[in-house]
Amino acid sequence: AQTVTQSQPEMSVQEAETVTLSCTYDTSENNYYLFWYKQPPSRQMILVIRQEAYKQQNATENRFSVNFQKAAKSFSLKISDSQLGDTAMYFCAFIENLQGGSEKLVFGKGTKLTVNP
Amino acid sequence: KAGVTQTPRYLIKTRGQQVTLSCSPISGHRSVSWYQQTPGQGLQFLFEYFSETQRNKGNFPGRFSGRQFSNSRSEMNVSTLELGDSALYLCASSSLGGSHSPLHFGNGTRLTVT
Repeated sequence: AQTVTQSQPEMSVQEAETVTLSCTYDTSENNYYLFWYKQPPSRQMILVIRQEAYKQQNATENRFSVNFQKAAKSFSLKISDSQLGDTAMYFCAFIENLQGGSEKLVFGKGTKLTVNP
Repeated sequence: KAGVTQTPRYLIKTRGQQVTLSCSPISGHRSVSWYQQTPGQGLQFLFEYFSETQRNKGNFPGRFSGRQFSNSRSEMNVSTLELGDSALYLCASSSLGGSHSPLHFGNGTRLTVT
């Protein structure tokens, strides 16, 4: 079974600084997709960034970037110039292929990030 | 374009009752997935529907069921509610499926079982 591990239950960072959230995963597949989702107090899960395993180049979305180390099965999220609105739970997730062409997301337990003014 | 809409936002039920949750996907999306979120277990996959067919189901008892209508709207039903069913239930839609097109989540339904 695929698993996703986030070893940091909580983190805090000062506004405008940089923070890195860790994620490791376990899979026997060679081609797969990884995601970081953000869940603010509004509860809606919002896609932050996505990485395709066959692409060696790390994905970047504005202030968000990842450090994808396929051999180490590591997928960390870097948030630059942290803003108060970045305060949220962050979930690392992995796509698991199921029978019948279906897929499901396997989530880590999450990291609660607080950005302090 | 309207996002994924889940109703109701909050629900309080007592043990033994049954409940139905509703999810309206983004227009044009044919895949609808349901996830249960609890502090202890985190986010767990319940099931996925595509074009009115359940393509897969997670490791949940038969008390959890769902369906999808021809307009892609989906409902999830939980019968004989237990205290442990208290959770945030999230619905997500996509045009094809997670790796091919991103999942868009709703705001969830917070179910409390007393």
